[in-house]
Amino acid sequence: GDSVTQMQGQVTLSEDDFLFINCTYSTTWYPTLFWYVQYPGEGPQLLLKVTTANNKGISRGFEATYDKRTTSFHLQKASVQESDSAVYYCVLGDRDNNRIFFGDGTQLVVKP
Amino acid sequence: EAAVTQSPRNKVTVTGGNVTLSCRQTNSHNYMYWYRQDTGHGLRLIHYSYGAGNLQIGDVPDGYKATRTTQEDFFLLLELASPSQTSLYFCASSERQKSQNTLYFGAGTRLSVL
Repeated sequence: GDSVTQMQGQVTLSEDDFLFINCTYSTTWYPTLFWYVQYPGEGPQLLLKVTTANNKGISRGFEATYDKRTTSFHLQKASVQESDSAVYYCVLGDRDNNRIFFGDGTQLVVKP
Repeated sequence: EAAVTQSPRNKVTVTGGNVTLSCRQTNSHNYMYWYRQDTGHGLRLIHYSYGAGNLQIGDVPDGYKATRTTQEDFFLLLELASPSQTSLYFCASSERQKSQNTLYFGAGTRLSVL
């Protein structure tokens, strides 16, 4: 069945470090892939979305490539800031059965 | 940008109590959803609706009812609250089916069942 795996429960970095958050997915069809970000005290909000395999999504300095070969959608940012501290969710949208699947989330802590 | 407003922001009740969580969206979206968020489980779908009077069962519906009275308003009802329902609840909306469309979330309601 469909699933999303985020192995990193928490990532701790210093400002200007490179960010890499791992996300892999499992599905039998061609999904839409999302990254949502949740800041403290708020609901999740869309960070970026990619609907087509092998395309890259870019937003606010973050990027993720929908890699069909490796079934991955890793999130990257070249240089993080303290304001990027949040929980990041990788999400799979299965258009075949109209369901979405959230990963368990990765807490990013950026120290000044 | 879609606006989704939840009330109350915090609620404390006792076991067996009756609780209603409210959600209103003001961007004319067709779909509305109720999720719960618990440590170690991410977000889990309770119920959703694609229009006034419609209700669809989500992945964790036991112990919850929901009602969509208008296109704008979606309510989550806990008629006999239990401690296992202590959680952070989010309402969300989307223009069309959720699998390809952006979800717009409210700020959440934190519910404690003592």
